[in-house]
Amino acid sequence: GAGVSQSPRYKVAKRGQDVALRCDPISGHVSLFWYQQALGQGPEFLTYFQNEAQLDKSGLPSDRFFAERPEGSVSTLKIQRTQQEDSAVYLCASSLGFYQPQHFGDGTRLSIL
Amino acid sequence: DQQVKQNSPSLSVQEGRISILNCDYTNSMFDYFLWYKKYPAEGPTFLISISSIKDKNEDGRFTVFLNKSAKHLSLHIVPSQPGDSAVYFCAASAEKSSGDKLTFGTGTRLAVRP
Repeated sequence: GAGVSQSPRYKVAKRGQDVALRCDPISGHVSLFWYQQALGQGPEFLTYFQNEAQLDKSGLPSDRFFAERPEGSVSTLKIQRTQQEDSAVYLCASSLGFYQPQHFGDGTRLSIL
Repeated sequence: DQQVKQNSPSLSVQEGRISILNCDYTNSMFDYFLWYKKYPAEGPTFLISISSIKDKNEDGRFTVFLNKSAKHLSLHIVPSQPGDSAVYFCAASAEKSSGDKLTFGTGTRLAVRP
């Protein structure tokens, strides 16, 4: 399909392990976003790329979180030394740019045991 | 500090009637507003948007109204259908000042009764 693709859909990890979440945006979309959604809440902004440049990372909760988009298409969100409070759904979205709607993938549900 | 608020956690409507979902915001820099629909285990699906230069935008059964002075927007669905049953999120961005990162409300669960 032509939508935003995220993998894996589900990830279970033990506390302290590192995880990597992948996002494949809609072809041609220059803007890419990561959000975190806790149960019963709306998504919360983590970070934003325009092409390969990370323009805003103000929402990353700690230095254990980092994201990259080296070639301006696929992005990876990495969480090091995972903790239980990292358990959430991680959503990726892409858009054509300013004043354009963001289109979301189905998310990765991360569970830290 | 909840900058986007959806004060009704749930709403139940008869099929064929109008559904009205409400959203309030506090940040006067917000200039682009969107509504998303979300089914369980899926990502949010974009429904309709409006920029702050307009006060109404319509797309088929969906209409969004923006009242800037009251910092209030609403989504009207007419007529409501059982397939509209989902959680609806209001979102906003301050494009000119903070870029296009979205701030979301906590959602309203709509149930459309057959």
